[in-house]
Amino acid sequence: DTAVSQTPKYLVTQMGNDKSIKCEQNLGHDTMYWYKQDSKKFLKIMFSYNNKELIINETVPNRFSPKSPDKAHLNLHINSLELGDSAVYFCASSHTQKNEQFFGPGTRLTVL
Amino acid sequence: AQSVTQPDIHITVSEGASLELRCNYSYGATPYLFWYVQSPGQGLQLLLKYFSGDTLVQGIKGFEAEFKRSQSSFNLRKPSVHWSDAAEYFCAVGSGGGADGLTFGKGTHLIIQP
Repeated sequence: DTAVSQTPKYLVTQMGNDKSIKCEQNLGHDTMYWYKQDSKKFLKIMFSYNNKELIINETVPNRFSPKSPDKAHLNLHINSLELGDSAVYFCASSHTQKNEQFFGPGTRLTVL
Repeated sequence: AQSVTQPDIHITVSEGASLELRCNYSYGATPYLFWYVQSPGQGLQLLLKYFSGDTLVQGIKGFEAEFKRSQSSFNLRKPSVHWSDAAEYFCAVGSGGGADGLTFGKGTHLIIQP
């Protein structure tokens, strides 16, 4: 019955590797987001997608590439991982008409 | 540019005491305001939201918040805290729709003393 799910929950990897985080929502929402929470717990929007179309792309390095195969999924692929990418990444979803966002459990990425 | 300020980084409250967490926002249009709670190692759970109408909104877990436009504030309150309320609390502002991201405050860490 999970509303917004993310996999994996934990991801430990070496610098320079490429990794992906998957997100799925079963709420019937048409908008999905990726947020980054840094070590000081500050949350910042990275991307938003509406009906599989990219809407927001904040000042995020182009090593980060979101992909939305359908309205229920928004994946995040990261190339050439750097130490500074270590953070917790949250996926969220909402209806376009109502910006009440529901968050997934987060993926803790650690880059060694 | 929009912003959210949570002036208290940490707050310590005795169990059973009342709680107020402060939030001030800056937003160019009609603000839509949210409070989220994050327990250790968990995701964010929506406590309550203000879109329009009554400026005193009720949320889950016995929380309420009051929107004061003149003070650009949306403070969170609870009359009697429980040990399980210990968590990180985030205030956020956004638009009423579209695919806009939320702008979050830096959070307030709530500690409950027995």
